[in-house]
Amino acid sequence: DTGVSQDPRHKITKRGQNVTFRCDPISEHNRLYWYRQTLGQGPEFLTYFQNEAQLEKSRLLSDRFSAERPKGSFSTLEIQRTEQGDSAMYLCASSGEQLEAFFGQGTRLTVV
Amino acid sequence: SQKIEQNSEALNIQEGKTATLTCNYTNYSPAYLQWYRQDPGRGPVFLLLIRENEKEKRKERLKVTFDTTLKQSLFHITASQPADSATYLCASRTGFQKLVFGTGTRLLVSP
Repeated sequence: DTGVSQDPRHKITKRGQNVTFRCDPISEHNRLYWYRQTLGQGPEFLTYFQNEAQLEKSRLLSDRFSAERPKGSFSTLEIQRTEQGDSAMYLCASSGEQLEAFFGQGTRLTVV
Repeated sequence: SQKIEQNSEALNIQEGKTATLTCNYTNYSPAYLQWYRQDPGRGPVFLLLIRENEKEKRKERLKVTFDTTLKQSLFHITASQPADSATYLCASRTGFQKLVFGTGTRLLVSP
């Protein structure tokens, strides 16, 4: 296992379409996070899973956003009816008993 | 609300000098703070963690301090090199282990 993997790396979609991103965490990690990052800003927290339970969700996450982590392994983040303001880098991170988070390379979403 | 703040202005220094970046937190008392490095187009990479009962932590040319009175952490890179140019992020956990980040400070080291 070489680290956190995200797919796809890049996604261009038309406004109004639905998109889904996948994150494969480091296998022994029970915590998984999703963040959104725009240019010049730090990662903005979206949601957090411990195993398969979604423990926290940002108020910034509108009803168009949903995340799942079935069986506590990989996770998906879906954005429905995308808007131009959704264009950003979507980052996934995982952590285990150690306190630091390990990030994937991110999925860059462009909504045109 | 709980906040982590970093100087959003870029820091420009000359090679060989010490870079010092600041992280301030408000409205909570984190048990520890973390520092990450982020290069353009890539995810953040963990560098150092300092706990509230530690005054200072070092790793090679990196040094982090934690002042609970000032509610501040300082991140130092000594003998800086152009390869140290990146954005440096401060982070801590709040609530149900949610990891929150500051906006990051971009460091540019000129040869």
